[in-house]
Amino acid sequence: NAGVTQTPKFQVLKTGQSMTLQCAQDMNHNSMYWYRQDPGMGLRLIYYSASEGTTDKGEVPNGYNVSRLNKREFSLRLESAAPSQTSVYFCASRTGQANTGELFFGEGSRLTVL
Amino acid sequence: GQQLNQSPQSMFIQEGEDVSMNCTSSSIFNTWLWYKQEPGEGPVLLIALYKAGELTSNGRLTAQFGITRKDSFLNISASIPSDVGIYFCGRVSGGSNYKLTFGKGTLLTVNP
Repeated sequence: NAGVTQTPKFQVLKTGQSMTLQCAQDMNHNSMYWYRQDPGMGLRLIYYSASEGTTDKGEVPNGYNVSRLNKREFSLRLESAAPSQTSVYFCASRTGQANTGELFFGEGSRLTVL
Repeated sequence: GQQLNQSPQSMFIQEGEDVSMNCTSSSIFNTWLWYKQEPGEGPVLLIALYKAGELTSNGRLTAQFGITRKDSFLNISASIPSDVGIYFCGRVSGGSNYKLTFGKGTLLTVNP
């Protein structure tokens, strides 16, 4: 069972370059999320998609865009990477049913911006 | 934004000791969640709490949803080396637009 799959797992960018982090889930979940994790800051929500066709900002959306391509896939794009975006990025999904708290996370994508 | 305070930030304990960590919020919420993250992995759900006053166990782990709905604690009894990791509390907001936001985490180190 693949669960939530993120690609790439590692990436190094130069300031100003663009890239897209891909996320796919095979659990037929309605909701998908992108978080970033930084030392001492915990996990902070960047964007989420409650259902196919909708996206909403989280706590730290600046500098990012997202696309809910279909029910399975939710991508995160950095148009012009900055060193402050060096982080570990996690994608997660959830069934979307009310009062079901379990988010399933991918293994993370480690991004370094030089 | 609404604050979620998790403490302690880190703990270094001996194998066999009990551990307690907690989260407090400035606002009331209907759901508290506790996750564990092991090195190089994504977080995994340990316990979910949906009612004020609810006390739930999962093996050696016990978590409670505070009566005021503004806090929760997680206890680990008789710690073992594989308990090492970062423990996160999370609270749900947004109604139908379900959003899960996390505390900053408690780093647990267990000395064999």
